[in-house]
Amino acid sequence: DVKVTQSSRYLVKRTGEKVFLECVQDMDHENMFWYRQDPGLGLRLIYFSYDVKMKEKGDIPEGYSVSREKKERFSLILESASTNQTSMYLCASSPSPWHRGGQLSNQPQHFGDGTRLSIL
Amino acid sequence: GQSLEQPSEVTAVEGAIVQINCTYQTSGFYGLSWYQQHDGGAPTFLSYNALDGLEETGRFSSFLSRSDSYGYLLLQELQMKDSASYFCAVRSPTDSWGKLQFGAGTQVVVTP
Repeated sequence: DVKVTQSSRYLVKRTGEKVFLECVQDMDHENMFWYRQDPGLGLRLIYFSYDVKMKEKGDIPEGYSVSREKKERFSLILESASTNQTSMYLCASSPSPWHRGGQLSNQPQHFGDGTRLSIL
Repeated sequence: GQSLEQPSEVTAVEGAIVQINCTYQTSGFYGLSWYQQHDGGAPTFLSYNALDGLEETGRFSSFLSRSDSYGYLLLQELQMKDSASYFCAVRSPTDSWGKLQFGAGTQVVVTP
């Protein structure tokens, strides 16, 4: 079974702090994703990474950065936390959708249990 | 861009059938997925439709009509453990990395 582990289940920080959320996957997946989940808004993509040291902005990257120094680990960084970043943060991983033959396929995303972050 | 619409909540009794509709507006389309999330838990993958028609997996089925930009998830013989949020998600053919765009989710409440 794929295991995606997020370092904290609950986290409380103060405005202006630099916050690190860590995510580790154990299935050698190429892709990793960070989402935030808010009531009525579903899951919104913040950043994703398709390889070590490679990253792409998602739909809501403002105020966030990411780091992927090793294939299994993807970190989300709140440079200067603000109260509007209080949310549930979900990490996910998936294999590359590209088969060796060059065909694109569906690869489900596997999620961690989430980190509920409160910024006071 | 892409947008997805699904009902916010559906309530049904144990043993009933529930259909969760999902309509999407996308600049392209590569497939419709469904995920389940229990309260406090991680979203888990349920099903995927790339082609028109019905896909059945046990008590759950998923349907897609690409011409109507519409799909649904059918939950049969509802059980209390099916109380959860259900998200539809689409991929764009312009996306090469497996990114998904999620709907806002439908909360299914199963009552005794």
